Amino acid sequence: GQQLNQSPQSMFIQEGEDVSMNCTSSSIFNTWLWYKQEPGEGPVLLIALYKAGELTSNGRLTAQFGITRKDSFLNISASIPSDVGIYFCAGPPAGGTSYGKLTFGQGTILTVHP
Amino acid sequence: KAGVTQTPRYLIKTRGQQVTLSCSPISGHRSVSWYQQTPGQGLQFLFEYFSETQRNKGNFPGRFSGRQFSNSRSEMNVSTLELGDSALYLCASSAGQHNEQFFGPGTRLTVL
Repeated sequence: GQQLNQSPQSMFIQEGEDVSMNCTSSSIFNTWLWYKQEPGEGPVLLIALYKAGELTSNGRLTAQFGITRKDSFLNISASIPSDVGIYFCAGPPAGGTSYGKLTFGQGTILTVHP
Repeated sequence: KAGVTQTPRYLIKTRGQQVTLSCSPISGHRSVSWYQQTPGQGLQFLFEYFSETQRNKGNFPGRFSGRQFSNSRSEMNVSTLELGDSALYLCASSAGQHNEQFFGPGTRLTVL
């Protein structure tokens, strides 16, 4: 089935640094979603992208829908301790029957040192 | 608007038992999806319900089943529990547009 390759798997950064992570697929996606999950909680939707080339911001977060439709990037600027968590990319498989089904990347574990 | 709620939050069962988990979607959302999250396999899609009908199903054995009620609330059932069923079970609801899904806090199931 379709897989999303997310990198890096983990990041250890200092407070105030910028963070970049990305997600690639062998197949095209029509929507890219970025989620953050904290311990003991469900994923929280951060940003949704719908068009190739789209660049969308949510506070210090910026995400882009790659023009090939096979990748997406998430950037966090000026990281703070509460950015700690696992970040997932996700999207509905293009083509076929994909009702309600999201494919998820493996996640990027972000640790921020004060 | 209240978010997605799931009950119970934690559950401990023994092998061979069965379990039922409940999910209440965001008001107005008619699509409910279920996922299993484990450290080894990540987030995996179980099934999706819309207007009381299962529209999509992932690659899980028949021991995993679900249903949706007329008020869009959903339940999932796992019968004959196995140790490998220990996981965080997440429910997500969607209004159906652009596939944006909003997740509940999950039910942590431990099978002993």
